[in-house]
Amino acid sequence: EPEVTQTPSHQVTQMGQEVILRCVPISNHLYFYWYRQILGQKVEFLVSFYNNEISEKSEIFDDQFSVERPDGSNFTLKIRSTKLEDSAMYFCASRLDRTGANSPLHFGNGTRLTVT
Amino acid sequence: QQQVKQSPQSLIVQKGGISIINCAYENTAFDYFPWYQQFPGKGPALLIAIRPDVSEKKEGRFTISFNKSAKQFSLHIMDSQPGDSATYFCAASREGPFTGGGNKLTFGTGTQLKVEL
Repeated sequence: EPEVTQTPSHQVTQMGQEVILRCVPISNHLYFYWYRQILGQKVEFLVSFYNNEISEKSEIFDDQFSVERPDGSNFTLKIRSTKLEDSAMYFCASRLDRTGANSPLHFGNGTRLTVT
Repeated sequence: QQQVKQSPQSLIVQKGGISIINCAYENTAFDYFPWYQQFPGKGPALLIAIRPDVSEKKEGRFTISFNKSAKQFSLHIMDSQPGDSATYFCAASREGPFTGGGNKLTFGTGTQLKVEL
């Protein structure tokens, strides 16, 4: 079964540094998402992306965050200047269609970001 | 109004027993209610989902019960097995007529289920 793949699985960075988290969504999917999960807490929506533009973003997704689909396969999340509170598991997700009833959301296994 | 409240936070069930996890939502515009299962070190995986036009959906040992008037829905795991031990998240989204959004999922806080032998 096709999978969403994320790299790296674990990223350690120092506060103030830039990080790029990478994702390869399922190949024929059209809608892309980033979610994050702070340890032991719920999964939170960050941003959705369709047709090469952001379709929705949460209040967490401030101007320190950006997303890009640089080619036909990769989908990246960039944090410009990391803060301690950015430490979390970041999940990429994709779906074929806009509605979950027709097209369930598939999650990757996540990138654990640790900011020291 | 966007919250989804989930209980209990943790649950221990004997093998063969019934696991029940409850969720409540506030936003009446939500029209899609999935349950996700997450194993340690893995991303959430869709388990089962329901639309509000039905009150129950069953897939194998997993059943969602939905009460639209109470704005509540629950997951029942029949004949619970040790392999069911995982964290379960309920979620909700608004998937009605397109309004430009990305149909984000709002997740509950999760329930850690442990099924003991």
